[in-house]
Amino acid sequence: GAGVSQSPSNKVTEKGKDVELRCDPISGHTALYWYRQSLGQGLEFLIYFQGNSAPDKSGLPSDRFSAERTGGSVSTLTIQRTQQEDSAVYLCASSLGAVLSLEQYFGPGTRLTVT
Amino acid sequence: GESVGLHLPTLSVQEGDNSIINCAYSNSASDYFIWYKQESGKGPQFIIDIRSNMDKRQGQRVTVLLNKTVKHLSLQIAATQPGDSAVYFCAEKKNTGFQKLVFGTGTRLLVSP
Repeated sequence: GAGVSQSPSNKVTEKGKDVELRCDPISGHTALYWYRQSLGQGLEFLIYFQGNSAPDKSGLPSDRFSAERTGGSVSTLTIQRTQQEDSAVYLCASSLGAVLSLEQYFGPGTRLTVT
Repeated sequence: GESVGLHLPTLSVQEGDNSIINCAYSNSASDYFIWYKQESGKGPQFIIDIRSNMDKRQGQRVTVLLNKTVKHLSLQIAATQPGDSAVYFCAEKKNTGFQKLVFGTGTRLLVSP
């Protein structure tokens, strides 16, 4: 079956521009997560969506970062006024949900480069 | 593909050897632990998990050991193969009811033929 997909796979943008990163989770997965992975670092949690509950945004590094999940499926991570320190791989993951399964399935990531 | 990290701790082994990757976790209240494997240019892939009420769990060629006394987790890979070369992350879930996973920085495993 189809796994988690992300687009674009690579994004190069100029400092100060806005970018949108897209995640298509596995069908039927109610939980969706965004992580950031900088070079030489582990995965940094950004935001978590679970069903219709309010998202947990505790990991967003600044108010330039926001995310939406429409219709309980596709999610978009938006970074406004990008900075060079935003350069990283942004990973999306989904899971069946907090009760059914804790295993998170990851997409291939979007590599963001801010010049 | 590109490396996910140039300065990660690295474990180099010969093909056929057993590998042991270690991880120290931070929170004694964590109740669930996972090992992920990340190949170059790909997202992390689930390997094996263990709950805090267990101290050992075995999968296919992999074994996870949990020592809660010293907050230590290890992943043992038997008969390591070149295809096992990747970065391995441990992750812990804190017992807060939310599935937030906290990931370690990773260990790079290099398997020589």
